[in-house]
This record gives sequence, C-alpha cells and structure tokens, in this order.
Amino acid sequence: GAVVSQHPSWVICKSGTSVKIECRSLDFQATTMFWYRQFPKQSLMLMATSNEGSKATYEQGVEKDKFLINHASLTLSTLTVTSAHPEDSSFYICSARRAGADNSPLHFGNGTRLTVT
Amino acid sequence: GDSVTQMEGPVTLSEEAFLTINCTYTATGYPSLFWYVQYPGEGLQLLLKATKADDKGSNKGFEATYRKETTSFHLEKGSVQVSDSAVYFCALTNGVWSGNTGKLIFGQGTTLQVKP
Repeated sequence: GAVVSQHPSWVICKSGTSVKIECRSLDFQATTMFWYRQFPKQSLMLMATSNEGSKATYEQGVEKDKFLINHASLTLSTLTVTSAHPEDSSFYICSARRAGADNSPLHFGNGTRLTVT
Repeated sequence: GDSVTQMEGPVTLSEEAFLTINCTYTATGYPSLFWYVQYPGEGLQLLLKATKADDKGSNKGFEATYRKETTSFHLEKGSVQVSDSAVYFCALTNGVWSGNTGKLIFGQGTTLQVKP
C-alpha cells in the first residue's frame, strides 16, 4: 500500500521558536503533497499545496512567511512553523498523491500535534 | 466554489444498528468522491471512493453510491460495531488538470459513537 510517514507525531515548543514537521512518502514518489490543519472537533482546512521542485501554493489567508513549505525531493515535504505562538497550536496533517496517478486518492500521514506554550 | 456538506453529529448508535451518514456536494464538472475515517489521535484513512456517477464504493461493510442527480454520496453500513467509532469525512476532488491541483475538499466531519 501507499504509506505516508509524518514526523514528529507530537511536539511541544515555547512561544517564539520554530518547529519543522516532515512528511515522507515511504513507498511511492509524490510530486504533490498537501498540508492540512485541523482544529479540535473540526474539519481539515487546506493550508498549502507543496510541489516538488517549485514554490508551494498557499490558500487564501495562510501566511506563507509563517508556514514555510519545502518540497525538495519526490518523497519529502517539510512544513516549518516559524516563530510559533499559542494560536498555532493545532493538529497538522500532510497528504500525498502518487506521481502519475492524478485521479488516485490522497494518502495521509498520522498527523502532528503541535502545542505552543 | 466546490463544497461538501455532511450531517452534523455526533451520531450515537447501538452495536448492530444500521448507519447512514448523509453527504451532499456542490462542484463543477465531474468530481471524484471519497469517504475517509479518522480514529482518535490519528490521520485519515481512505474508506471508499467513487469516481463517476452511479459508482458504488464499498469497503469493510461500508457502502456509498455516487448520485449525480441528487449530488449525494451517503455512507451506509448495515450493522455497526464498537470499533467503527470514529470521525467520518466526506470529500471530493475535481482531479488534476491545468489550474487545478487535485486538492481534496472536506466536509465538516461526522462523529460516530457506537455503544455495546
């Protein structure tokens, strides 16, 4: 099957520090990865679309300077929350689509619980 | 824009009861439709999908039929188990084409609680 690994699964950081979250496709190549944010008991909100070898596409209202996305290879995308504040505390989930399979479903990581104190 | 609407939860059922979670959508073109399930503290797992009108997706006893005339994709299961307790998300994608990234658009999620 298609496995997406997300690391770390949880992280606690102090206000003002930066946190990097990794999303890896373990057994397939992914030209496109998506980063979602989920608040408690709410749906998933798309933050940005990560494209291998090019700049990420951010959804309206998402600060690109705060949520830095890098997709350096076909199997790895990273999300860095810069100068984190308590309001950034959330559940972040990445997903990936197998390269060349445009109509296939997305495969999701297990999410990262970020708590900013 | 494209959107997905699900019935509000939580839905509380007794074990072996029949389950229906309603999902309707608004989309241009011919979207693909999905149901994802999220267990506590975990990411999302694909439950089933349908890519064209009248397709029926099925998995683990769950079924959903793509109804273009009613723009619906209701999730059903004949006999739920305690282990089915989770949050269920209906989602759509309009595929990958020029100007469209194939992103998933989610409904708000429906929490299912199954009691023994």
